[in-house]
Amino acid sequence: RKEVEQDPGPFNVPEGATVAFNCTYSNSASQSFFWYRQDCRKEPKLLMSVYSSGNEDGRFTAQLNRASQYISLLIRDSKLSDSATYLCVVTRGSTLGRLYFGRGTQLTVWP
Amino acid sequence: GAVVSQHPSWVICKSGTSVKIECRSLDFQATTMFWYRQFPKQSLMLMATSNEGSKATYEQGVEKDKFLINHASLTLSTLTVTSAHPEDSSFYICSASIQTVTDTQYFGPGTRLTVL
Repeated sequence: RKEVEQDPGPFNVPEGATVAFNCTYSNSASQSFFWYRQDCRKEPKLLMSVYSSGNEDGRFTAQLNRASQYISLLIRDSKLSDSATYLCVVTRGSTLGRLYFGRGTQLTVWP
Repeated sequence: GAVVSQHPSWVICKSGTSVKIECRSLDFQATTMFWYRQFPKQSLMLMATSNEGSKATYEQGVEKDKFLINHASLTLSTLTVTSAHPEDSSFYICSASIQTVTDTQYFGPGTRLTVL
């Protein structure tokens, strides 16, 4: 079983739509959780960290459910510029600094 | 924020040649650097973890004699793909950590390698 599993999509939504991405991780010892964004042929960029209490950054809301080992990302009022691949990333406490990447979920926002 | 550079940004080479990729942390000292490889429509796969002044730790399945890593200073790590073959064509990305007590990593812009 892969360390991090994501629905690869693609998700195609109109501008203004709300879209949600899900991610599951297999190792209960996972310690930190992130969503990264990767544009085509570019490096990943940190979008936001994910906390157990849930956190929001503008139109983006991330949730973590440790019991279910489940992470989500909600994007409200989608913009054309949100089109990218969204990577779910986790770390383990036992391997400090090592990131485990999901395959990514591709999002296309159309006008 | 912290900046990591990679050079070259893209390279095309003939099969059998060696290619060196540099990863530099421009405004901070990186005790640890990571090298990833990403094939089209695939996830980033960690190849090796590089600590300054010591041997790199390679992930299972990554040939250390083929992918030579040198982390000679706190701001520079190099990855050399030796005797490159077409199947080595990929997007190589490095990242750097400022401290080992944090999971924050800063990614370089990546190097696209095409082996003919």
